[in-house]
Amino acid sequence: QVQLQESGPGLVKPSQTLSLTCTVSGDSISSGDYYWSWIRQPPGKGLEWIGYIHYSGSTYYNPSLKSRVTISVDTSKNQFSLKVSSVTAADTAVYYCARDGSFDLWGRGTLVTVSS
Amino acid sequence: QAVVTQEPSLTVSPGGTVTLTCGSSTGAVTSGHYPYWFQQKPGQAPRTLIFDTSNKHSWTPARFSGSLLGGKAALTLSGAQPEDEAEYYCLLSYSGARVFGGGTKLTVL
Repeated sequence: QVQLQESGPGLVKPSQTLSLTCTVSGDSISSGDYYWSWIRQPPGKGLEWIGYIHYSGSTYYNPSLKSRVTISVDTSKNQFSLKVSSVTAADTAVYYCARDGSFDLWGRGTLVTVSS
Repeated sequence: QAVVTQEPSLTVSPGGTVTLTCGSSTGAVTSGHYPYWFQQKPGQAPRTLIFDTSNKHSWTPARFSGSLLGGKAALTLSGAQPEDEAEYYCLLSYSGARVFGGGTKLTVL
C-alpha cells in the first residue's frame, strides 16, 4: 500500500533553514492528479497547513508563511520536500506530509525543534 | 487570510449524538469550500473522516456523517463510543489555500 514517511533533522538552530523530505512508497508520486501537502502542529496546539505541490511543480503556500517556505518535488526519487528559512522557536512543531485531495494518506510526522 | 472557527470543546454521553460545526469568517460555508473533518488522538497523526462535505473513507465509522448546516460545515456523531474521544479538526479550501479550524476537543462522558 502507499505510504508516506517524513525525514530530516530533529534539531535546527534559530535563523537557520529547516529542511524535511517526504518519501512516497508503494506508488509513483506522478501517478494520479494529486497534490502533496505539508502540515505542522506546534506542541499542544492545532494544525496549520503550510502548502502543497503538484508533481508538475506547481505550488500554493499559506500566505502567512509564503515568504519563508519553499516546497519542491523530485519525481525521480519519489519525494517532495519542505524548506522553511529563518526559523525561530515558533517553528517548533511536528511536521506532517499528506496526500491532498481526499487527505487519505498521512505520514506519521516528525518533530522539529528550533533551539540553539 | 480567512479564519475558521470551531467549538473549543464539547461533551457527549456514550450512545448520544453530537454535532460539531465549522464556520468561516468570510461568510457561509458551501460545498465549494470542500470541507474536511479529521480526528486526532494524542500522540497520533490526524486521520481523515470526511472529505468534500460528506464523503467518507473506507475506514470512517458509519456513525460519523458530514453535512452543511446553517451556513457551516457540520460533523455529526450518532451513537458516540468511548473511542470517539479525541480532537476534531475541520479544514476549508479557499481557491486553493487551505485553512484549519482551531479544533474541538470532544469528551465522551
